[in-house]
Amino acid sequence: DGGITQSPKYLFRKEGQNVTLSCEQNLNHDAMYWYRQDPGQGLRLIYYSQIVNDFQKGDIAEGYSVSREKKESFPLTVTSAQKNPTAFYLCASSGQSSGNTIYFGEGSWLTVV
Amino acid sequence: RKEVEQDPGPFNVPEGATVAFNCTYSNSASQSFFWYRQDCRKEPKLLMSVYSSGNEDGRFTAQLNRASQYISLLIRDSKLSDSATYLCVVTTSGTYKYIFGTGTRLKVLA
Repeated sequence: DGGITQSPKYLFRKEGQNVTLSCEQNLNHDAMYWYRQDPGQGLRLIYYSQIVNDFQKGDIAEGYSVSREKKESFPLTVTSAQKNPTAFYLCASSGQSSGNTIYFGEGSWLTVV
Repeated sequence: RKEVEQDPGPFNVPEGATVAFNCTYSNSASQSFFWYRQDCRKEPKLLMSVYSSGNEDGRFTAQLNRASQYISLLIRDSKLSDSATYLCVVTTSGTYKYIFGTGTRLKVLA
């Protein structure tokens, strides 16, 4: 099946730890994105990548890092510098093959304990 | 002013009712418009794209008003299963930036 796979679905992090969220897509999309959603809030863009080995900061990039070494993969690292990381994280992708519609993975819930 | 604005609701309607949501956008250069549905604790899923001529998919109708810079979503014969948050999404041609509204929450009551 074509789609976007995020893992893990649930993750608990101790304060001071870095964690990495995985995102893989087999839709052959050029662009990939990471969003954060807090309860009752809208989606906020963390980082996006239009092409392999290139990415740009979104609106709330502080405390996060990404890489784009392969077209299919766009992992997000939540670093200890992110002061309030508990949230729902959504990976997405878009491309000409799907009319530039953006599609989402199932999301990852991160909780700081 | 937010780039994309939606009434957060909730809109509480009885089963079988017709309900409409609007979404306003501020960038007149916006080119592509979408409605997404998001269930509680789930990812957003595409409901429908919005075309200049308007489009319909079963009980759902989407329209675009470029002059007044808003899009609308009409749901006829509401079902309990339509209860969700509906997100408006706008993008500008040639960019990779998708602007999301904060969503309108719909509750369909039995």
